Amino acid sequence: GPKVLQIPSHQIIDMGQMVTLNCDPVSNHLYFYWYKQILGQQMEFLVNFYNGKVMEKSKLFKDQFSVERPDGSYFTLKIQPTALEDSAVYFCASSLRGVNQDTQYFGPGTRLLVL
Amino acid sequence: GNSVTQMQGQVTLSEEEFLFINCTYSTTGYPTLFWYVQYPGEGPQLLLKVTTANNKGSSRGFEATYDKGTTSFHLQKASVQESDSAVYYCVLGEGYAQGLTFGLGTRVSVFP
Repeated sequence: GPKVLQIPSHQIIDMGQMVTLNCDPVSNHLYFYWYKQILGQQMEFLVNFYNGKVMEKSKLFKDQFSVERPDGSYFTLKIQPTALEDSAVYFCASSLRGVNQDTQYFGPGTRLLVL
Repeated sequence: GNSVTQMQGQVTLSEEEFLFINCTYSTTGYPTLFWYVQYPGEGPQLLLKVTTANNKGSSRGFEATYDKGTTSFHLQKASVQESDSAVYYCVLGEGYAQGLTFGLGTRVSVFP
């Protein structure tokens, strides 16, 4: 089936530094998403992105977070500066359309540890 | 806002036993309901989905029925195999370009 790739698979970073998480979505998909999962807790929606713009963001999407997809390359999540509570697994997803019936395809996640 | 509740954190079964995972949801809209499955080291992948247009979905021997009256979307399989061992998420999608709402997940372990 369609594959979403995420780079890197693991990242360890000191608090206060910047980190960029990369996502290579399914090639013909137009909608992109980031989710956050803290160990033992629910997967939670952060943000979605379409046509170069953020469509919707949750309260977890702090001012220190930003997303972009320059020139059809990776869809990225940047955190600057990082905080201890940013430690989590971040999943990228993509879908062809934005309607609620459409399937979102998920990557394997990036495990971020902030020390 | 939307919410999804999975009360069973873990289910342990022997092969060929019946699997039932309970899921209830809350929303003010007309959602699509999904079951996603996650294997170790991978992201969640779609198992099945059901929209308001139909009541039942099935895939790979799994079935789920969308019951608007009880706001439930339970997952079941008549006879599990060891390869069904994974984490199963009940998920709600509602509205245009909205993020999905996940349940906490149920870890299913099947032993030969």
